[in-house]
Amino acid sequence: DQQVKQNSPSLSVQEGRISILNCDYTNSMFDYFLWYKKYPAEGPTFLISISSIKDKNEDGRFTVFLNKSAKHLSLHIVPSQPGDSAVYFCAALNSGYALNFGKGTSLLVTP
Amino acid sequence: EAQVTQNPRYLITVTGKKLTVTCSQNMNHEYMSWYRQDPGLGLRQIYYSMNVEVTDKGDVPEGYKVSRKEKRNFPLILESPSPNQTSLYFCASGWEARGETQYFGPGTRLLVL
Repeated sequence: DQQVKQNSPSLSVQEGRISILNCDYTNSMFDYFLWYKKYPAEGPTFLISISSIKDKNEDGRFTVFLNKSAKHLSLHIVPSQPGDSAVYFCAALNSGYALNFGKGTSLLVTP
Repeated sequence: EAQVTQNPRYLITVTGKKLTVTCSQNMNHEYMSWYRQDPGLGLRQIYYSMNVEVTDKGDVPEGYKVSRKEKRNFPLILESPSPNQTSLYFCASGWEARGETQYFGPGTRLLVL
């Protein structure tokens, strides 16, 4: 059963605007969350992470928000650029070391 | 250059013919892992290893074997491949599973006929 869910398979945003990618999880034992970005024909690359003791983490244009009570996190990209077009995976860790991934959201940033 | 390498990058095989996909990292990472990516299912973890001789099952270990005899290598073994193992496979390594230090290889596309 999928414990990390990305319910939007795709998202299209205009260049310069905000992209918001959402992720929900079901396992309350998850305590660390990561976002990975993947271009075609390449392996995923790490983007940003957040510990469950925080509710926000920011790195340049990328901000991740965590709402533990709702078991929801989101990735905000501001401003969006065409080079941000990729598949974004949300992932979560519990006290162990098995990384649980969502199915991914394909982001298209149009000029 | 710090990297995770996988070989082969592409492989077509037939049902039942044993195969091995190699994975090697040059960053002295403790943690290594294998994932498969399938349309509509995202990335699913097959096996992972916290250190030499320490391996554990991920979400979808059936039909796969791994070994970690040395730190830098983590081969994925399909003893008797079946068509449902047709997929895109990624190896990853990191100092630990947490944080940004998990590096992914370029992927191995496998077709089992």
